[in-house]
Amino acid sequence: QVQLQESGPGLVKPSQTLFLTCTVSGDSISGGSHFWSWIRQLPGKGLEWIGYVYYGTSTYYNPSLKSRVTISGDTSKNQFSLMLSDVTAADTAMYYCARESWNLFYFDFWGPGALVTVSS
Amino acid sequence: DIQMTQSPSSLSASVGDTVMITCRASQNINSDLSWYQQKPGKAPKLLIYAASSLQGGVSSRFSGTRSGTDFTLTIRSLQPEDFATYFCQQSYSSPVVTFGPGTRVDFK
Repeated sequence: QVQLQESGPGLVKPSQTLFLTCTVSGDSISGGSHFWSWIRQLPGKGLEWIGYVYYGTSTYYNPSLKSRVTISGDTSKNQFSLMLSDVTAADTAMYYCARESWNLFYFDFWGPGALVTVSS
Repeated sequence: DIQMTQSPSSLSASVGDTVMITCRASQNINSDLSWYQQKPGKAPKLLIYAASSLQGGVSSRFSGTRSGTDFTLTIRSLQPEDFATYFCQQSYSSPVVTFGPGTRVDFK
């Protein structure tokens, strides 16, 4: 069974960098059979796809966040990470990591989520 | 950008009811649409992909259909565990995918 688990600070100060890690079990992020994505959900609102890593090292980002986002993979630990720079209160959200189908682009396994609050 | 709208935004229903939720795309997206169920404090759960394919392990009470740019999620014989928020997601513009705003289903 595939499992994902987010970890990282729950509170980040404005203008700083948000950093989260997703630990994957039951599948390999370097396998190339799936994309490994980050998705966020703003409070009381909908879902926004942030980007993904595939083959452990290649990435693609949502153009709306591209200037501030870096996603990277650590194949030795079977983890992938999200960095979001220069955060503001508008980046306060629940952040999910998820496994994405490489051909149909749906998300079949999700982590439980990590709430990140941006506040001084 | 492809915009996804959902209707209704919320509905009230009773156990045993049949519920239909509609997702409309702003342009043709073929059948590149998935449906998710989200319960409070939980991550979304994949129900349907490719407009009408049931994800493994999901109850057959859930079904999806497509008519042009309109997509419908039908839940038959609503059960207590089905009260949740439902989201659609288009993947036609992949890799950049977008989600609908959600439909909340609660007790009448």
